[in-house]
Amino acid sequence: DSGVTQTPKHLITATGQRVTLRCSPRSGDLSVYWYQQSLDQGLQFLIQYYNGEERAKGNILERFSAQQFPDLHSELNLSSLELGDSALYFCASSVATGSGANVLTFGAGSRLTVL
Amino acid sequence: QKEVEQDPGPLSVPEGAIVSLNCTYSNSAFQYFMWYRQYSRKGPELLMYTYSSGNKEDGRFTAQVDKSSKYISLFIRDSQPSDSATYLCAMKDQGGGADGLTFGKGTHLIIQP
Repeated sequence: DSGVTQTPKHLITATGQRVTLRCSPRSGDLSVYWYQQSLDQGLQFLIQYYNGEERAKGNILERFSAQQFPDLHSELNLSSLELGDSALYFCASSVATGSGANVLTFGAGSRLTVL
Repeated sequence: QKEVEQDPGPLSVPEGAIVSLNCTYSNSAFQYFMWYRQYSRKGPELLMYTYSSGNKEDGRFTAQVDKSSKYISLFIRDSQPSDSATYLCAMKDQGGGADGLTFGKGTHLIIQP
């Protein structure tokens, strides 16, 4: 157990729908990161939050949004889902903002299937 | 040309063999180099990390960084079936922000008993 908790583990939904993925970071970590992993693209960085504030943005679609709450848990909202959004979504956390080594601890992921 | 290139494999070797996994990169600003191991249906877990050039050893694992060639390697000695996983290299520059952390696509390693 890495200490990063993600729910749900599996999710099957239809095109056009909206889903919310939830992440609780490791105790003491202030930064939360969201990644998308697909077979052809590998791990793609979506967005990072640090202590409630958006810190960095990657290849996140406009249909996707995220936030980090005062208790530091984070949610990733995916809307108007398309078949191509089917992937593993990982949350990771770290102590600091990202400078230096910035070692990430990953959760077990949420597998999203869009039919 | 992608920033980080990694052969996806699969790489299949017999138990006990020495395994060499490699990544090449193009961004000379990368200073931190990491190897993550990802078992099937699990999240990546940090295996090794090195700063700048040189070698680092941890048990059966050795990480090497050659910044002049923009080439990093992970060696696994006395490989075990439990080492079967996908190995992802990751690299980062000195600056802050996760957008500075770049992952390779991963090499799928199979250790045959």
